[in-house]
Amino acid sequence: EDKVVQSPLSLVVHEGDTVTLNCSYEVTNFRSLLWYKQEKKAPTFLFMLTSSGIEKKSGRLSSILDKKELFSILNITATQTGDSAIYLCAAPYGGATNKLIFGTGTLLAVQP
Amino acid sequence: NAGVTQTPKFRVLKTGQSMTLLCAQDMNHEYMYWYRQDPGMGLRLIHYSVGEGTTAKGEVPDGYNVSRLKKQNFLLGLESAAPSQTSVYFCASSPNQGANGYTFGSGTRLTVV
Repeated sequence: EDKVVQSPLSLVVHEGDTVTLNCSYEVTNFRSLLWYKQEKKAPTFLFMLTSSGIEKKSGRLSSILDKKELFSILNITATQTGDSAIYLCAAPYGGATNKLIFGTGTLLAVQP
Repeated sequence: NAGVTQTPKFRVLKTGQSMTLLCAQDMNHEYMYWYRQDPGMGLRLIHYSVGEGTTAKGEVPDGYNVSRLKKQNFLLGLESAAPSQTSVYFCASSPNQGANGYTFGSGTRLTVV
């Protein structure tokens, strides 16, 4: 059975801290792994990773994929209160339908 | 460019009532999806469609029906609402396989009492 597991479930940090969020997966015919940020409403796309060892970066956020060990990490440096959100990882599964299987998410709270 | 629009945004139903959630996208996307999000369980796929006139079951389809009569619209119906269907419902669309993830609607918060 395909699955995506995220850890930790929740995290509280102070502004300026660096955080690492984890995502492990078991997906048949794995193609890619995606990260989303969800604030009050809809998830918004952050990164799509397809190749091991190649870091994707956007500002203070970065992510990397390890296809041998079947995991990905999302790093956020110099955290700000605006980074407070649920971070979701997901992977396509089930053939040519682009269905996504999601992890349960990590709830990040950044305190001033 | 509105993207993906869901209506309504909030709804309270009594057990046994029926309702339809509407999802409309203006990006000419082929694929559309309905997910529900519950605390501690992430997003779970209810039904999906890979093109106009086609629908298929996801992980948690029981108690729901869908229709995709027009490419831009994907309707989710609850035939006889139950308290277990209290959730936040998200519609999403995608142009094709391998696209950079989905475009999500803003969600519908449904409470069944």
